[in-house]
Amino acid sequence: EVLLVQSGAEVKKPGESLRISCKGSGYSFTNYWISWVRQVPGKGLEWMGRVDPTDSYTNYSPSFQGHVTISADKSISTAYLQWSSLKASDTAMYYCATEIGSSTNWFDPWGQGTLVTVSS
Amino acid sequence: DIQMTQSPSSLSASLGDRVTITCRAGQSISSYLNWYQQKPGKAPKLLIYAASNLQSGVPSRFSGSGSGTDFTLTISSLQPEDFATYYCQQSYSTPYTFGQGTKLEIK
Repeated sequence: EVLLVQSGAEVKKPGESLRISCKGSGYSFTNYWISWVRQVPGKGLEWMGRVDPTDSYTNYSPSFQGHVTISADKSISTAYLQWSSLKASDTAMYYCATEIGSSTNWFDPWGQGTLVTVSS
Repeated sequence: DIQMTQSPSSLSASLGDRVTITCRAGQSISSYLNWYQQKPGKAPKLLIYAASNLQSGVPSRFSGSGSGTDFTLTISSLQPEDFATYYCQQSYSTPYTFGQGTKLEIK
């Protein structure tokens, strides 16, 4: 079974740094891109960017470029999303998802989500 | 960015009803369109990929159609477990974008 397991909920203060993780199992981790998706409480889904675990090549949405860093460590089948200086507006649920497909792609499966709360 | 617009934003329906949700892309995206279902407190779940392909394990009452700019998700006969929020998503080009969601509620 293909599975993505994310790290646990985090509570941080503005200005702090944070890295959350997404560990893949049940498949060859380097076969598929991993994407990160944000969901602000009560709002919709926003694609943030993705990483190719083979070579750690990344591709960001312009809305998130420069605000977060996406990376991967293929030796431990884990992708990461990190912030160097959190803001209250970063409070959201963050999902990772495997990007499956050949000529066209889709997200399946998804991780269970990591809730990040940023508050002073 | 390719804008994705869903309609309606919310919908009230009864058990057994046939329901259709529409998704319109801001430019042609061929068949690069996926549908997801999200229940409260849960991660999204893939229902339909490449516009009309039913994901394994998804009930056959769900179907998708369309190409170019206009797409539909149809639920042929609503079941209690179908009340959720539905999102379309284009995978034609990055940045990938989602529709704003359609919340399906019990009438």
